[in-house]
Amino acid sequence: QVTLRESGPALVKPTQTLTLTCTFSGFSLNTSGVSVTWIRQPPGKALEWLAVIDWDGDKFYHPSLKTRLTISKDTSKDQVVLRMTNMDPVDTATYYCTRRRGYNYAWDYWGQGALVTVSS
Amino acid sequence: DIVMTQSPDSLAVSLGERATINCKSSQSVLYSANNKDYLAWYQHKPGQPPKLLIYGASSRESGVPDRFSGSGSGTDFTLTISSLQAEDVAVYYCHQYYNNPQTFGQGTRLEIK
Repeated sequence: QVTLRESGPALVKPTQTLTLTCTFSGFSLNTSGVSVTWIRQPPGKALEWLAVIDWDGDKFYHPSLKTRLTISKDTSKDQVVLRMTNMDPVDTATYYCTRRRGYNYAWDYWGQGALVTVSS
Repeated sequence: DIVMTQSPDSLAVSLGERATINCKSSQSVLYSANNKDYLAWYQHKPGQPPKLLIYGASSRESGVPDRFSGSGSGTDFTLTISSLQAEDVAVYYCHQYYNNPQTFGQGTRLEIK
């Protein structure tokens, strides 16, 4: 059974760095073609793709956020970590981690999401 | 970036009737090497994560009721719910995973008339 769970602070102050951890089970990020991505949704707005890390370590970031984002994986712990620096109130959103089983597939399993509020 | 535009923004349909949502991409999401469209549809209900309904423009994800179907290719796509059920009330998103940054449509809110 595939599961993903996001964890991290619910509240961060402006200019701080957000660190979110995605802990997963039921699949391996060492398996060819598997990827984990982060997607967020500000309140009342649409979904926004942030970053992806592939089974082979390849990483891609949203160009508009590239300077602020870092994605990494720890396959021994079955975790993917997203760091976002210089947080701003506009970054208030529910952050989801998701996975796909291959490059030809969409994001099939999602975590429940972590609401992060940026406020002083 | 590929811009995904959905229509309509909201839709009210009677129970048992057909619901149709359209999605247009600003450039083709058809990968010529394998003739697959990298287009998915998600259903999003409040308090839940999005649920994958359709991938490859027309392939139904395992466990998704067959009243949900996807069609189209290239830049124009459609999600159809053949007979609307009360549990289908949600926001629906199209999504291109053809290239990065991956992008989503603005969402279509589906309600019961």
